[in-house]
Amino acid sequence: GAVVSQHPSRVICKSGTSVKIECRSLDFQATTMFWYRQFPKKSLMLMATSNEGSKATYEQGVEKDKFLINHASLTLSTLTVTSAHPEDSSFYICSARDLSTSGNTGELFFGEGSRLTVL
Amino acid sequence: SQQGEEDPQALSIQEGENATMNCSYKTSINNLQWYRQNSGRGLVHLILIRSNEREKHSGRLRVTLDTSKKSSSLLITASRAADTASYFCATAALNQAGTALIFGKGTTLSVSS
Repeated sequence: GAVVSQHPSRVICKSGTSVKIECRSLDFQATTMFWYRQFPKKSLMLMATSNEGSKATYEQGVEKDKFLINHASLTLSTLTVTSAHPEDSSFYICSARDLSTSGNTGELFFGEGSRLTVL
Repeated sequence: SQQGEEDPQALSIQEGENATMNCSYKTSINNLQWYRQNSGRGLVHLILIRSNEREKHSGRLRVTLDTSKKSSSLLITASRAADTASYFCATAALNQAGTALIFGKGTTLSVSS
């Protein structure tokens, strides 16, 4: 199946700093990528839909100035947590669809996730 | 926003037993999917069932879908220790192409040998 690579897998930063997480589709083009956040022992909460060449669509309650999303190419989306605080500590997971195999509503391929710890 | 609820939240069984997880959802759907997540890892797609299907099999997995009750079940037969993971159902909204999946709260399965 299609492969989504996410980097870094773990990051520890100090409060007030910004952290960038990259999500790449390795063997397919992804015009749309999805960013999720997961708290310990909880489900995935959709944060935003990243659209290549245009602005991301954020879910209600997600601060777009806090979580900057850039989708500059068909294979790369980035999530930047700006001025991170301890409450931003979480597991962030990106995903994408290979439209050639999954269509518009089918299977999502997930990255391995990025665990952010803000001290 | 959360779409579905899985139950049970946690399930502990012995190897060789069957594990059944249930999922309920709220809105009309195009399809329903089940995913598996090992601790601290990404999610892996297991199986997709379309809204016009009632049952689907894949290896030791059996999924049912009842759109009238807005519910689905995942059965894992002859479980193995390696099946230990969290399992989530996810739905794709009807008539909204290219949208994200909305995940349920998940069932944590523990299979002991």
